[in-house]
Amino acid sequence: DGGITQSPKYLFRKEGQNVTLSCEQNLNHDAMYWYRQDPGQGLRLIYYSQIVNDFQKGDIAEGYSVSREKKESFPLTVTSAQKNPTAFYLCASSLKPSSYEQYFGPGTRLTVT
Amino acid sequence: AQSVTQPDIHITVSEGASLELRCNYSYGATPYLFWYVQSPGQGLQLLLKYFSGDTLVQGIKGFEAEFKRSQSSFNLRKPSVHWSDAAEYFCAVVTTSGTYKYIFGTGTRLKVLA
Repeated sequence: DGGITQSPKYLFRKEGQNVTLSCEQNLNHDAMYWYRQDPGQGLRLIYYSQIVNDFQKGDIAEGYSVSREKKESFPLTVTSAQKNPTAFYLCASSLKPSSYEQYFGPGTRLTVT
Repeated sequence: AQSVTQPDIHITVSEGASLELRCNYSYGATPYLFWYVQSPGQGLQLLLKYFSGDTLVQGIKGFEAEFKRSQSSFNLRKPSVHWSDAAEYFCAVVTTSGTYKYIFGTGTRLKVLA
């Protein structure tokens, strides 16, 4: 079955540690996205990538980094510079950057204490 | 600036009752509009979308939405709610000038009473 997988489902880290969230898709989509979801704030775009080896900052990129070395993979690193990293993180993809429909993964809940 | 407003944070309806979730947008050009549903701890699933044409759009799970340009609205409706519809619902608009980006509303959490 085609889809987007995110692992792990739950992630716990100590403050000051970097942590990397995985996102893999087998939909052969060109574009991939990372969103952060906080209660009452909807989804906010962190980073997006339109093609391999290229990515752009979204609205809240500070304290995050990404890579896009393969079409299928778009990992997100939450660095120690991110002041409030505890959140629900959603990865999404679309067939082309100009495709309006995005497909979402199941999400990773990150808790930093 | 483009924005999406969902005025109702929480809505409670009885099973079998009708449902309307409100969505208002602010966008200068013709909007491309979406409704997504999210079950607790899960990703988002597309319910329906509007690009152009008929202003009444049918989606999955018996949902429909009506685009009203004069009111800048794209309200989601369902004639008879089922207990399994309890979830959070997000309205979104896609910006088409330059980079294609989603702008999401803050969501409406639906509770269904048996």
